[in-house]
Amino acid sequence: GAGVSQSPSNKVTEKGKDVELRCDPISGHTALYWYRQSLGQGLEFLIYFQGNSAPDKSGLPSDRFSAERTGGSVSTLTIQRTQQEDSAVYLCASRPVQGTEAFFGQGTRLTVV
Amino acid sequence: AQSVTQPDIHITVSEGASLELRCNYSYGATPYLFWYVQSPGQGLQLLLKYFSGDTLVQGIKGFEAEFKRSQSSFNLRKPSVHWSDAAEYFCAVGALGGGSNYKLTFGKGTLLTVNP
Repeated sequence: GAGVSQSPSNKVTEKGKDVELRCDPISGHTALYWYRQSLGQGLEFLIYFQGNSAPDKSGLPSDRFSAERTGGSVSTLTIQRTQQEDSAVYLCASRPVQGTEAFFGQGTRLTVV
Repeated sequence: AQSVTQPDIHITVSEGASLELRCNYSYGATPYLFWYVQSPGQGLQLLLKYFSGDTLVQGIKGFEAEFKRSQSSFNLRKPSVHWSDAAEYFCAVGALGGGSNYKLTFGKGTLLTVNP
């Protein structure tokens, strides 16, 4: 597709389970971001991938969170042993190498029950 | 490190009234500045951006924003609000960090309600 694609769009999981969230960036975009959006908290930066450089993981809130990007394209955000406070919308964005504007996906709404 | 402050959490205006949403940033040099809009259940859409040059930038949907270096502000304006403008608005700063790291930092957003 032409835009950033995220799946699933909604995910309900039980506390303690692991979840994987997927992001397909726009083709050719070398930069990829994950953000978390909680009610009233704006967009919280989680992790940033840029080409073959080491990712900037400075925003990951705990070691239960991890992300990878395979082949410089698809990215997966994994949350282990989910907690109720992990409930949020997780947004992915991509950016071309020479660009400054990020293009966002529709997000994955994660609910931990 | 850069930061963004949106002082107004929630603003209510009447349809047809003018609108100004405030944004203040903190960064040591001239940053890249953005306004995004998020309608209910939707992703973020770029309204406009500032990189350099003319400090008054025009965006989509009749929005404009003015970069004021002396005030470290990038306020969003619209002369006449439509009911469809009800949404959440995010100001963002893009700036180069270490190496190839280009960080995008967002404010907490301003929720706009439009009364008929």
